[in-house]
Amino acid sequence: KAGVTQTPRYLIKTRGQQVTLSCSPISGHRSVSWYQQTPGQGLQFLFEYFSETQRNKGNFPGRFSGRQFSNSRSEMNVSTLELGDSALYLCASSPRLADRSYNEQFFGPGTRLTVL
Amino acid sequence: QQQVKQSPQSLIVQKGGISIINCAYENTAFDYFPWYQQFPGKGPALLIAIRPDVSEKKEGRFTISFNKSAKQFSLHIMDSQPGDSATYFCAAGISGTYKYIFGTGTRLKVLA
Repeated sequence: KAGVTQTPRYLIKTRGQQVTLSCSPISGHRSVSWYQQTPGQGLQFLFEYFSETQRNKGNFPGRFSGRQFSNSRSEMNVSTLELGDSALYLCASSPRLADRSYNEQFFGPGTRLTVL
Repeated sequence: QQQVKQSPQSLIVQKGGISIINCAYENTAFDYFPWYQQFPGKGPALLIAIRPDVSEKKEGRFTISFNKSAKQFSLHIMDSQPGDSATYFCAAGISGTYKYIFGTGTRLKVLA
């Protein structure tokens, strides 16, 4: 079974621009979560989508947004980029079963965003 | 209350030795504690996870010890190998959600 796919793998943007990152979850997985990873702050939760609805949200400004499509693929968008947005953006997928005891998330390789 | 504190920040172990990484949390609502391993240029990969109803879980050379009263948990890597050299993250979450709180990571180097 193919793993989580993220595109593009690398991206360079300038301040003020906007960017869209894409994530394709593992086949059959319906939950997609996004995390930002930086050397200073570590891994921080951005948001989670399930059935095209945002289920959880982290403490990030409104410039960070996302959406999920009917095929479970997800995109996240960052508008008005700032230098501090340079980071590795990770996507994680999970089946999100009705059994609440299942919590495993599987991460993709990430998209490395550099803001100049 | 949402923090997960991880130590040490870095660790150097001889081949064959035991690597121990510790984490502590405050939010008693957390009931799922996974450990992830991350190699440079890769996303984190799930190693092993534990729930508060058990005090220890072992998978191969990796063992999680969990102390519910102290709100602490740790990862033990037995017979550490150079291939284990990576960054390790502990995390905490609540069943039914996928909002993990991650520790700051431990960079492990195993010397050959």
